[in-house]
Amino acid sequence: DTEVTQTPKHLVMGMTNKKSLKCEQHMGHRAMYWYKQKAKKPPELMFVYSYEKLSINESVPSRFSPECPNSSLLNLHLHALQPEDSALYLCASSQLGQSYGYTFGSGTRLTVV
Amino acid sequence: ILNVEQSPQSLHVQEGDSTNFTCSFPSSNFYALHWYRWETAKSPEALFVMTLNGDEKKKGRISATLNTKEGYSYLYIKGSQPEDSATYLCAFTYSGGGADGLTFGKGTHLIIQP
Repeated sequence: DTEVTQTPKHLVMGMTNKKSLKCEQHMGHRAMYWYKQKAKKPPELMFVYSYEKLSINESVPSRFSPECPNSSLLNLHLHALQPEDSALYLCASSQLGQSYGYTFGSGTRLTVV
Repeated sequence: ILNVEQSPQSLHVQEGDSTNFTCSFPSSNFYALHWYRWETAKSPEALFVMTLNGDEKKKGRISATLNTKEGYSYLYIKGSQPEDSATYLCAFTYSGGGADGLTFGKGTHLIIQP
């Protein structure tokens, strides 16, 4: 298995809802990442997990809460989002080290209404 | 704030022609430079990861070079085909060791015209 699988592919949620995005990989990668991409902008790093521990949080608002329950799974819990949080959320994984590329999922398209 | 700049923003190329585009990045504390190919509604696909000054990498008709001293990388596509149409992203990482996020450029949107 050489893929990163993200579910759901599309999500519409209200500002008072709680929802979760899920990301899964079975390549034995020990680093996993969440990125946010708005239209016509590059992906922006949100969180990095290394060996299931949060190693980087790029000053993301607390309404986004990441979780890494095991080495294959990465979740992003969403609560009280704003319409400006509507974006494509990409998950990626990689081996640790300088020479390794990242494997990306195809993303979850989130719309906050 | 680290800036990764890509040019041009978009490019129309005739099928069969060769093309190239540029990525510039901060040359201090360089660690690795990545190129990704991203088709609409698909996952970004890793093309190359380059770490050493003077690196040249090739994958079929696509190749890339790296100059870490002056902070730029070129991506070349030889004999463009319609399936090469995509957004090409470069991304930079500056720390050593551990897991580091990528800082992306805005991409070059390439359209191959039959």
